[in-house]
Amino acid sequence: GQQLNQSPQSMFIQEGEDVSMNCTSSSIFNTWLWYKQEPGEGPVLLIALYKAGELTSNGRLTAQFGITRKDSFLNISASIPSDVGIYFCAGRIQGAQKLVFGQGTRLTINP
Amino acid sequence: EAGVVQSPRYKIIEKKQPVAFWCNPISGHNTLYWYLQNLGQGPELLIRYENEEAVDDSQLPKDRFSAERLKGVDSTLKIQPAELGDSAVYLCASSGGLAGADTQYFGPGTRLTVL
Repeated sequence: GQQLNQSPQSMFIQEGEDVSMNCTSSSIFNTWLWYKQEPGEGPVLLIALYKAGELTSNGRLTAQFGITRKDSFLNISASIPSDVGIYFCAGRIQGAQKLVFGQGTRLTINP
Repeated sequence: EAGVVQSPRYKIIEKKQPVAFWCNPISGHNTLYWYLQNLGQGPELLIRYENEEAVDDSQLPKDRFSAERLKGVDSTLKIQPAELGDSAVYLCASSGGLAGADTQYFGPGTRLTVL
């Protein structure tokens, strides 16, 4: 069943705008990962988070592991056309071995 | 460093036919995963290997799906016979080495269409 709630499902923004998306769960997570997937390709790892409160950046991308360990967010600053794609959060629930994925956020950018 | 390699990239078959997908993980990664991704959804785990041992196959429909990783490197996922509902993208991922077990790297996937 669905263990991660990712929102929003889709975003339509103007080039240059900042973007924010998040994932929440009722379960406690030990790891949060953020991936980007483009058409016809597999998900590409953007940022990995391993500790509650951790804030990590990768260029214009910043992600945080929520203090409660039940959520994470991803921000993209000053969006550009190549940021278009589907962004997935994924996490490993405490005590479990496998990753669970969110439903994805589809980002569309108007030039 | 080469990434996860999958083949074929696309496969179109008629229902009831068999099909096989191949994956070569990142060198040195002991853990290999097969995922199923339906349109508009996130990946869902089918099976996880630690070296040559399948340690989690609870989500693999064993009546028609099988997988193997005989030498602990390459892996093959097979469907026999395929059904219309099997149309999806089959993703392979691997993890291990310095990045740790939780950091999974995905291949490009095989898009299966069952007619």
